[in-house]
Amino acid sequence: QSALTQPASVSGSPGQSITISCTGTSSDVGAFNYVSWFRQYPGKAPQVVIYDINNRPSGISNRFSGSKSGNTASLTISGLQADDEADYYCSSYTSSDTEVFGTGTKVTVL
Amino acid sequence: EVQLLESGGGLVQPGGSLRLSCAASGFMFSRYSMIWVRQAPGKGLEWVSEISGSDGTTYYGTTFYADSVKGRLTISRDDSKNTLYLQMSSLRAEDTAVYYCAKAINWRSPRPDSWGQGTLVTVSS
Repeated sequence: QSALTQPASVSGSPGQSITISCTGTSSDVGAFNYVSWFRQYPGKAPQVVIYDINNRPSGISNRFSGSKSGNTASLTISGLQADDEADYYCSSYTSSDTEVFGTGTKVTVL
Repeated sequence: EVQLLESGGGLVQPGGSLRLSCAASGFMFSRYSMIWVRQAPGKGLEWVSEISGSDGTTYYGTTFYADSVKGRLTISRDDSKNTLYLQMSSLRAEDTAVYYCAKAINWRSPRPDSWGQGTLVTVSS
């Protein structure tokens, strides 16, 4: 199972919106509505910020939203803040009944 | 509050073995699938393995593995001790990583929900 493809880095100024893409195949992202997004601060464990395409766990800001079109899922962070600076990973359920992660995107707040 | 505490990491020689443990608390352990995810130094996340739990009536304990670890890593659980294990054998340099234990979203899902802080495994001579 190959990793889902994400841009290596995305940046934005405070207050702006950014979007991170996550491209898979018809055997994972395209086949199921089970895409999650995780935020990881340096040296820390990942934390889910979006699950099932566009659902937020309790405690996660509504500035985070997700979507999917075909084999590509996206995470949008609106009103960018300094503490949004982190690594972000997507993941998807696969037709092999396993999970696959994306390659990861470093978000920089300028 | 869900708490997951990994242990057992360390330095091991190529070809060697190691067993990781993950002590869980704050939720009904037997009713959830449990997962291992690893992250090589400076690299991305890699899903490793899952072991299913009980649906409330039947205990399944079905195991799933990434192709990269099949035949070398074995996941297991002891619901009486609320503990998850990962037995690692025939270790290679590319197995060097922080290994995270994670709780799944329900009794049978490979998707991680809550994560532990990880334990570092270094395979080197």
